[in-house]
Amino acid sequence: IAGITQAPTSQILAAGRRMTLRCTQDMRHNAMYWYRQDLGLGLRLIHYSNTAGTTGKGEVPDGYSVSRANTDDFPLTLASAVPSQTSVYFCASSSIGSNEQFFGPGTRLTVL
Amino acid sequence: EDQVTQSPEALRLQEGESSSLNCSYTVSGLRGLFWYRQDPGKGPEFLFTLYSAGEEKEKERLKATLTKKESFLHITAPKPEDSATYLCAVNSGYSTLTFGKGTMLLVSP
Repeated sequence: IAGITQAPTSQILAAGRRMTLRCTQDMRHNAMYWYRQDLGLGLRLIHYSNTAGTTGKGEVPDGYSVSRANTDDFPLTLASAVPSQTSVYFCASSSIGSNEQFFGPGTRLTVL
Repeated sequence: EDQVTQSPEALRLQEGESSSLNCSYTVSGLRGLFWYRQDPGKGPEFLFTLYSAGEEKEKERLKATLTKKESFLHITAPKPEDSATYLCAVNSGYSTLTFGKGTMLLVSP
């Protein structure tokens, strides 16, 4: 693989269910990010990680959690999905000091 | 709090009709302004980074410029394949970016 991969590509989920969105990068970037993109609101940062073992909250973290056990993987978990979490989710990565973020193809999530 | 405002929200051009997209920003200290292109159903694709007022960067028909308050993305003689949403983002010293809502560009043949 080259770059960032995300899985699944799309998912329909019942409200109240738990869901983990997967993100893997092979560029050995230190930093990784999760965004959601909604019509009229643009890209909003959910959580980020500057390096393996550390995470931080972005603009809209409520209802989401992340972990960073290693450099390559950065999963995003919705513990109990709600309809307002219907969105397109993008994972991104960058080298520390660069801030040029490279994005994955996205996951389209629908919560019913 | 960093703020980014892009205008117009949407722009329709005829092929060959040059124009500019605007990105106005408010930050405590600019550490970089970024332009991305996003095609429907895909993730944003990095175009340019600008760091200081007066800086310019070019790529094919695109040229990005930066002042202390705004950035412009100039599109010269656009082609239909330039149709996309163009996103602007700023970094003010932390590792995160603040994005504008984007300008949707449609270039008709």
